[in-house]
Amino acid sequence: QVQLVESGGGVVQPGRSLRLSCAASGFTFRSYAIHWVRQAPGKGLEWVAVISYDGSNEYYAASVEGRFTISRDNSKNTLYLQMSSLISEDTAVYFCARGGVVSGTDYFFDHWGQGTLVTVSS
Amino acid sequence: DIQMTQSPSSLSASVGDRVTITCRASQNIDIYLNWYHQKPGKAPKLLIYAASSLQPGVPSRFSGSGSGTDFTLTISSLQPEDFATYYCQQSYSTLRTFGGGTKVEIK
Repeated sequence: QVQLVESGGGVVQPGRSLRLSCAASGFTFRSYAIHWVRQAPGKGLEWVAVISYDGSNEYYAASVEGRFTISRDNSKNTLYLQMSSLISEDTAVYFCARGGVVSGTDYFFDHWGQGTLVTVSS
Repeated sequence: DIQMTQSPSSLSASVGDRVTITCRASQNIDIYLNWYHQKPGKAPKLLIYAASSLQPGVPSRFSGSGSGTDFTLTISSLQPEDFATYYCQQSYSTLRTFGGGTKVEIK
């Protein structure tokens, strides 16, 4: 079955960096776009970034553009999110989610990981 | 960015009630609209995609409608396991956005 498992979360000081990972299994990882979505404590869902199936295209929410970098290693079935210049507003549970396809288009988030908590605090 | 506005932000309902949640996009998004629900401490789960298509395995009491800017999620007969927070999400733009959520609580 499809599985996505995030790791790498923790407590980090403002201004520092952190890298999250998302290990995928149960599907052909290299065929799907993968997204990061986050949720601040007690708040709603916020889309963060997406990377295309082959890593050739990346897109970011304005709130993280220039500070976060999404990447993937299709030989390891793993997605990454490199976060730098972290601020308190980045405190959230970070989910990776597979981009489900309709007519060849990345359309919805059909499988999600359990999330990893990032806390930015001094 | 495309803004998604859900209403109401919360509602109280009883088991067996018919529940309707609305979602409005800030511009025309055709039918590029998906619905999820989320229970506390869990990942969201896809219910409806392309405005009205039921995700396999999702009960038929869930239905979606709409196109353009106005969309609706309906639960025909609310069940105990449906108490959760519901989110709409647009995929018209590469920069995806979610609605603010609707919390469905037990009356």
